[in-house]
Amino acid sequence: GESVGLHLPTLSVQEGDNSIINCAYSNSASDYFIWYKQESGKGPQFIIDIRSNMDKRQGQRVTVLLNKTVKHLSLQIAATQPGDSAVYFCAENIEYSGGGADGLTFGKGTHLIIQP
Amino acid sequence: DGGITQSPKYLFRKEGQNVTLSCEQNLNHDAMYWYRQDPGQGLRLIYYSQIVNDFQKGDIAEGYSVSREKKESFPLTVTSAQKNPTAFYLCASSIGGYASYEQYFGPGTRLTVT
Repeated sequence: GESVGLHLPTLSVQEGDNSIINCAYSNSASDYFIWYKQESGKGPQFIIDIRSNMDKRQGQRVTVLLNKTVKHLSLQIAATQPGDSAVYFCAENIEYSGGGADGLTFGKGTHLIIQP
Repeated sequence: DGGITQSPKYLFRKEGQNVTLSCEQNLNHDAMYWYRQDPGQGLRLIYYSQIVNDFQKGDIAEGYSVSREKKESFPLTVTSAQKNPTAFYLCASSIGGYASYEQYFGPGTRLTVT
């Protein structure tokens, strides 16, 4: 299967605990941020996004926090389950960059392992 | 069901051959993208298209070519000029326009060139 998890930062948590995955983004002009989950051998799945006019956004069991001062993004997953095991990527984009919908810039990812 | 399909899931080619990867979407999205993923790495943008008959180079376009003759389709050709073509290739689409929106990804094609 996909060996995306090799050489990635790894976060190991107990089932039922909360997880926090961190991401430092590079471009201070970025104003749209998104988290994806990727299971082995599959395409990334959207989890949650946030625009720069917000510093927090909540979804179902997930929360994204944005700190523009230090260019930091985090994903909090509450009450982790075995199905949460995957690689998590943050991505950034500059809205209204004059070119329209150009591509996202992805981080390298964090491998989340849920221990039973 | 709406979504993005990529075919085939696995593709094997000999060095020196061009190969075309298929990507189709029925989400009525204007924008489509191709990314490459190597083990232990994030996704890197190869090409993107904001509208039919128009496309732009991404960060690693050398050795690749694309076309966008139909809104639904955005095939990627990996040419013999691409020095390290073995990788996992992901296609995505989004609503498009000036605002940023989530990109929806296909299941990927794993290309192995020997």
